[in-house]
Amino acid sequence: QSALTQPASVSGSPGQSITISCTGTSSDVGAYNYVSWYQQHPGKAPKLMIYDVSHRPSGVSSRFSGSKSGNSASLTISGLQAEDEADYYCSSYTRSSTVLFGGGTKLTVL
Amino acid sequence: QLQLQESGPGLVKPSETLSLTCSVSGGSIGSATSYWGWIRQPPGKGLEWIGTIYYSGSTYYNPSLKSRVTISVDTSKNQFSLKVGSVTAADTALYYCASSVAGTIRYSDLWGRGTLVTVSS
Repeated sequence: QSALTQPASVSGSPGQSITISCTGTSSDVGAYNYVSWYQQHPGKAPKLMIYDVSHRPSGVSSRFSGSKSGNSASLTISGLQAEDEADYYCSSYTRSSTVLFGGGTKLTVL
Repeated sequence: QLQLQESGPGLVKPSETLSLTCSVSGGSIGSATSYWGWIRQPPGKGLEWIGTIYYSGSTYYNPSLKSRVTISVDTSKNQFSLKVGSVTAADTALYYCASSVAGTIRYSDLWGRGTLVTVSS
């Protein structure tokens, strides 16, 4: 299984919105509504931000939202803040009952 | 509150077996809604799912690692373990144990701090 495809980097200014894409196949992203997103700050463990495409865990800001269309999913961060600068990873449950991560996207807040 | 803590040797020789343990505190590893997993991250690189075990013993492995990986649960010690055989430098990584409070394999909302394992002679 190949890693899900994410852009290596995205950037935005404070207050703006950015979207990170995550592209897979009909065997993973397109198979179920089981895409999740993680935020990872340097030296820290990943933190779950979105699960099952668009659900936010308790405590995660409503500025984070997720969506999916076909074999691609997206994470949108609105009202960008300096603290959002981090690496972001998408993940998908697959038809083979395995989990697949994306390569990661570095978000820079200008 | 459920917490996870990885432990194990920080240095492993090539061709040997990497062994790590994840200790679970604040709850029972034998819970009927428990999936327990391992994820690794090579220095400066992305996350790679290694595998997951259900409390009953059913296991799910990354196909690219399946031939070398074993994940097991020790309910008496409230721990689960990872073994990776025939390691090479490519197995050098920060290893995280993880789980889901909601009891699913689909995502992990509970992570350990990670433990760095270096493969070198």
